[in-house]
Amino acid sequence: AQSVTQLDSQVPVFEEAPVELRCNYSSSVSVYLFWYVQYPNQGLQLLLKYLSGSTLVKGINGFEAEFNKSQTSFHLRKPSVHISDTAEYFCAVSDPGYSTLTFGKGTMLLVSP
Amino acid sequence: DVKVTQSSRYLVKRTGEKVFLECVQDMDHENMFWYRQDPGLGLRLIYFSYDVKMKEKGDIPEGYSVSREKKERFSLILESASTNQTSMYLCASSLVGAGGNQPQHFGDGTRLSIL
Repeated sequence: AQSVTQLDSQVPVFEEAPVELRCNYSSSVSVYLFWYVQYPNQGLQLLLKYLSGSTLVKGINGFEAEFNKSQTSFHLRKPSVHISDTAEYFCAVSDPGYSTLTFGKGTMLLVSP
Repeated sequence: DVKVTQSSRYLVKRTGEKVFLECVQDMDHENMFWYRQDPGLGLRLIYFSYDVKMKEKGDIPEGYSVSREKKERFSLILESASTNQTSMYLCASSLVGAGGNQPQHFGDGTRLSIL
C-alpha cells in the first residue's frame, strides 16, 4: 500500500521569507505526484503535479516542487511567501493501476507579517 | 473550469437519521470520489466510482453507502448517522487516466454535524 508522509504538521514563517514543505512517499513503482492547497472553508485546489520529464515542476502562485526518485521525496518550495499563502497543503501520490490518490495528513502553512 | 458542486455547505442531523450528501460535476468525468477530512488525519477515501452504477470501497467504507445513477451525480449515504461521523466531507471528480495521472477536482465540502 502507498503511504505519504508530510514531515511537518505546521510551518510558521514570516512574510517574504522562503519556505519548504516536505513530502516523502513510499512506493516501489513509478507514481504520479500532486500538491494541493486548501484555503479556509474551501475544497482542495491543485497546485502542481509531476507526471514525467523534468524533475522540477512549476505550479500556480509561484510554487514549485522537485521530484527526487532516489529519496522518494517531492518537496514544495516558494522563494518568498505572502500572507495569502496561509493555508493547508496536501501532498498526494497516485495508486498504481487505479485512479485513486493517497494523501498525506497535511501541513498548515502560517504566514505572519 | 471544472465545477464540482456539493449540495450543502453545512448540515446538522440527529443520531440515527439517514443522511444524504449530494455531489454534481459538470465536466463529464468518469471518476467520482467521496472523502472525509478530520484534523490531523488528512483525507481518507470512503468510496469511489469509475462509472455509472459502479462503486468501489475506499479505506473507510463502514457506515456509508453510495449511489451513482447518473454520470454527473454521486451521492453519499449515511445509513444511520452516528456522532463519530461528524466531519468535513469532500467530493471530487477526475477523468480516467493512465495509472492515475489525472488530477482530482474538489467541491467546497460539506461540514456535517451529528448531534
